[in-house]
Amino acid sequence: TQLLEQSPQFLSIQEGENLTVYCNSSSVFSSLQWYRQEPGEGPVLLVTVVTGGEVKKLKRLTFQFGDARKDSSLHITAAQPGDTGLYLCAGTGGSQGNLIFGKGTKLSVKP
Amino acid sequence: EAGVAQSPRYKIIEKRQSVAFWCNPISGHATLYWYQQILGQGPKLLIQFQNNGVVDDSQLPKDRFSAERLKGVDSTLKIQPAKLEDSAVYLCASSLASRPDTQYFGPGTRLTVL
Repeated sequence: TQLLEQSPQFLSIQEGENLTVYCNSSSVFSSLQWYRQEPGEGPVLLVTVVTGGEVKKLKRLTFQFGDARKDSSLHITAAQPGDTGLYLCAGTGGSQGNLIFGKGTKLSVKP
Repeated sequence: EAGVAQSPRYKIIEKRQSVAFWCNPISGHATLYWYQQILGQGPKLLIQFQNNGVVDDSQLPKDRFSAERLKGVDSTLKIQPAKLEDSAVYLCASSLASRPDTQYFGPGTRLTVL
């Protein structure tokens, strides 16, 4: 069974701080996605990483896929209150290429 | 472009009652997914359709859950009878058949079973 472990589970920081959240697995994934979910809404796709070692930047967010394609990290620089939400990683696995989600990191950025 | 639509947004029922959720995917998306998201967890896939056929329903509790996508567009997920542990957000997502790694989610239906 492919599992994704996310850490930390909860993170509360002040505006302007930097942070990193992690997504780890013992399984290899063909691709990995990061989503952000706000209360009362569905997850919104932020990025897909495909190649081992790949780094993608989205404004203040930097995503990295591990060389072995088993883990990923999300780094946020100078966090803002608008970054508050649940950050989910999901790996593409299974015979149908279905998404397998981690439990998420709940981020709170205080002004 | 319109996103994935779901209704109702909220539903409160008593255990042993029945409930149905509706989803309208993004136009042109052949693949439709239903997920269950329990509080504090990530979404868990219940069923995947490709057009009007079921591709994967291995995690659907078939004794009480059913889903259909008769015309290959809209879909309905039903729970009958509901249990307390079914309290969750039910998310619908859709994707192009060639891109299961890029899924677009609706806002979800929050179900509370009392």
